[in-house]
Amino acid sequence: SAVISQKPSRDICQRGTSLTIQCQVDSQVTMMFWYRQQPGQSLTLIATANQGSEATYESGFVIDKFPISRPNLTFSTLTVSNMSPEDSSIYLCSVAQGVSNEQFFGPGTRLTVL
Amino acid sequence: EDQVTQSPEALRLQEGESSSLNCSYTVSGLRGLFWYRQDPGKGPEFLFTLYSAGEEKEKERLKATLTKKESFLHITAPKPEDSATYLCASFSWGKFQFGAGTQVVVTP
Repeated sequence: SAVISQKPSRDICQRGTSLTIQCQVDSQVTMMFWYRQQPGQSLTLIATANQGSEATYESGFVIDKFPISRPNLTFSTLTVSNMSPEDSSIYLCSVAQGVSNEQFFGPGTRLTVL
Repeated sequence: EDQVTQSPEALRLQEGESSSLNCSYTVSGLRGLFWYRQDPGKGPEFLFTLYSAGEEKEKERLKATLTKKESFLHITAPKPEDSATYLCASFSWGKFQFGAGTQVVVTP
């Protein structure tokens, strides 16, 4: 199984600022995803991070608000831009690998926006 | 529209009291049905993948089964350490869709 780390693990930010979350995987993976999990709720897919091309965003999420980079097969970043209190959430990166598409998650980044 | 629905939302069990969690799905082109365990403040932990109706998988006190319309996660003789939120997710057309989860509390 893949080992995934995220930085930062948590942060408290002011309204209107931006935060970049890093996701590092210990092996090369093709599929990498970013999710949001709001308090007490399940996971919502933000986008699929594609290596060498633009990310594919889900309905309700846009590149200007959540720009994503994927410079190689082991690393990705998600930026939460111009934050508001509604962006307070846990942000998770995940990877899927193998013919079985098993998905593994990072520990998450807990973001609080004041 | 593809949907993944879990029931019940919450389940409180006595230690040793077996029960089942349900995951109903309406997904076109299903390539796998996944179960995860999530502890508070942590990312989901992979448990099982099921690919075809009739398939079953077991791990310790957990057993997952799959039909054409739903999946069940059976918890046999649970212990307090089985307390967690259990999530199911479908994989189709290159992406995962998660249900809302079942929060399980097992009391001694």
